Amino acid sequence: IAGITQAPTSQILAAGRRMTLRCTQDMRHNAMYWYRQDLGLGLRLIHYSNTAGTTGKGEVPDGYSVSRANTDDFPLTLASAVPSQTSVYFCASSEGTSVDNEQFFGPGTRLTVL
Amino acid sequence: KQEVTQIPAALSVPEGENLVLNCSFTDSAIYNLQWFRQDPGKGLTSLLLIQSSQREQTSGRLNASLDKSSGRSTLYIAASQPGDSATYLCASQDDYKLSFGAGTTVTVRA
Repeated sequence: IAGITQAPTSQILAAGRRMTLRCTQDMRHNAMYWYRQDLGLGLRLIHYSNTAGTTGKGEVPDGYSVSRANTDDFPLTLASAVPSQTSVYFCASSEGTSVDNEQFFGPGTRLTVL
Repeated sequence: KQEVTQIPAALSVPEGENLVLNCSFTDSAIYNLQWFRQDPGKGLTSLLLIQSSQREQTSGRLNASLDKSSGRSTLYIAASQPGDSATYLCASQDDYKLSFGAGTTVTVRA
């Protein structure tokens, strides 16, 4: 079944540790995104990539980095995790960024930083 | 900075009643307005996308309208069912970026 997979499903992490959240899509979409969802705040964009080889900062990029070496994969790295990064992280993709491009979401990764 | 608001935060209705979910946004220069459904502990499922040049979109029991001039979108769900219980999120798209509301959590009582 075509779609977006994320790994791990959930993770408990000690503060100060490095963590990479994985995201893979098989729809050959050009654009990919990382969001975090916090209670009462909705989803906020962390980083995005319009096409392989390019990335950009979203609304809340501090403490996170991304890379886009190929079309399918878009990993999100927390270099040194802090408790405020406890959240649910969603990866999404779309064909492009034009007016009719729906974004499709993965199942999410629930991250707890202690 | 685009601000998207959804009121109320929660809604409970008896089965069969029509649902009306509201979404407002501050910047009318949007590419489109999207409605999503989120079940507890799950990801987001796209329901409807209304392009900025359109006034409404329909899919089955769902109808979404868009009024850019007033910065409002409304999602109507006809003849609600217990399976419609979920959180509904609206998001406006500006270029690459989706700006989300915090969602309306709907409970449909059998």
